[in-house]
Amino acid sequence: TQLLEQSPQFLSIQEGENLTVYCNSSSVFSSLQWYRQEPGEGPVLLVTVVTGGEVKKLKRLTFQFGDARKDSSLHITAAQPGDTGLYLCAGASPDNYGQNFVFGPGTRLSVLP
Amino acid sequence: GAVVSQHPSWVICKSGTSVKIECRSLDFQATTMFWYRQFPKQSLMLMATSNEGSKATYEQGVEKDKFLINHASLTLSTLTVTSAHPEDSSFYICSARDLLAGHNEQFFGPGTRLTVL
Repeated sequence: TQLLEQSPQFLSIQEGENLTVYCNSSSVFSSLQWYRQEPGEGPVLLVTVVTGGEVKKLKRLTFQFGDARKDSSLHITAAQPGDTGLYLCAGASPDNYGQNFVFGPGTRLSVLP
Repeated sequence: GAVVSQHPSWVICKSGTSVKIECRSLDFQATTMFWYRQFPKQSLMLMATSNEGSKATYEQGVEKDKFLINHASLTLSTLTVTSAHPEDSSFYICSARDLLAGHNEQFFGPGTRLTVL
């Protein structure tokens, strides 16, 4: 069974600070997605990374996929209150044509003004 | 693009009744839809994978007779919670995979909050 771990579980920071969230596994994934979920809403896809070592930027968010495609990180620069939410990573297994998805437990971020 | 809707957004029902939740992909065809359950301050728990035209695949511990899933078309899947009880109260979220998209991205609906009295 593939498992994804995320750290930290909870993070509370001041507006303007930088932060990094990690997503780790002992398994290889064919692709990995990052989502942000706000209370009472469904998760919103932020990015998909596919290639080992890949780096993608989305405004103040930088996503990196590990060289071995077992881990990923999300770095937020100059965090804003609007970044508050639950950040979830999800990995697609290379088995079964990527049919199997695994979600991490999430990192709950709170950015204080 | 890639919009998924759910209906209803929230529902309150009496214990013993059945509740149907609809999940629609509005601007794309989804061969696969997923149903998740989420408890407060927790991550998503996959309940079942629904493929159009075939029976759903349920995760271990999820009762298929309790949570009936129908995926009759490429744009609609339904989850029926039968004989609901208070412990079924939760946030139910569906997601759909775009047939034409690469890398298996899932696009999520806004969720349905079920409260069973």
